[in-house]
Amino acid sequence: KQEVTQIPAALSVPEGENLVLNCSFTDSAIYNLQWFRQDPGKGLTSLLLIQSSQREQTSGRLNASLDKSSGRSTLYIAASQPGDSATYLCAVPLFIGGGADGLTFGKGTHLIIQP
Amino acid sequence: EAGVTQSPTHLIKTRGQQVTLRCSPISGHTSVYWYQQALGLGLQFLLWYDEGEERNRGNFPPRFSGRQFPNYSSELNVNALELDDSALYLCASSPGRNTEAFFGQGTRLTVV
Repeated sequence: KQEVTQIPAALSVPEGENLVLNCSFTDSAIYNLQWFRQDPGKGLTSLLLIQSSQREQTSGRLNASLDKSSGRSTLYIAASQPGDSATYLCAVPLFIGGGADGLTFGKGTHLIIQP
Repeated sequence: EAGVTQSPTHLIKTRGQQVTLRCSPISGHTSVYWYQQALGLGLQFLLWYDEGEERNRGNFPPRFSGRQFPNYSSELNVNALELDDSALYLCASSPGRNTEAFFGQGTRLTVV
């Protein structure tokens, strides 16, 4: 059974800082890994999808890396802004070696950017 | 292009009642997934529908069920509601296997 862990659980930093969120998963046989953000009481917004053959993906100030062999991914946020405040979730396919069967999520990193 | 839409946004039901939640996927997406996000438990996979068939389900009792219609929209039904069913129910769609999942804004269900 795939398990996903996110560290830290919560993070509060001043505006403008660069920061790194960590995600680890127990089995490396994944097709892809996806990062989401969730605002309080809202749905999930997809940020980045990294295929298993990729090392990283970039979108604006966000950069996500994937190291399958070590079972780790990081989400790098450059020049953080108060609008980045949200919970960030990473997710991998639910079943080891499988895909499109659903996703298993970490519990998220609750991020607060202080103005 | 419209995203994944869910209805209703909020719902209050009494224990023992039944509820139906609805989801319309992004146009062209054939797979629909349902998740439960209960306070303190994180996101849990409920059901996966593809091409009108239930393909997989998570570790939930049979009173959680659903279906997918020919236009790929989906319903989630929960019978005999319990207080612990209070949660945010999220629907996601994707165009196929191993592709990016897009989520709706969710339905907040409160069971009293």
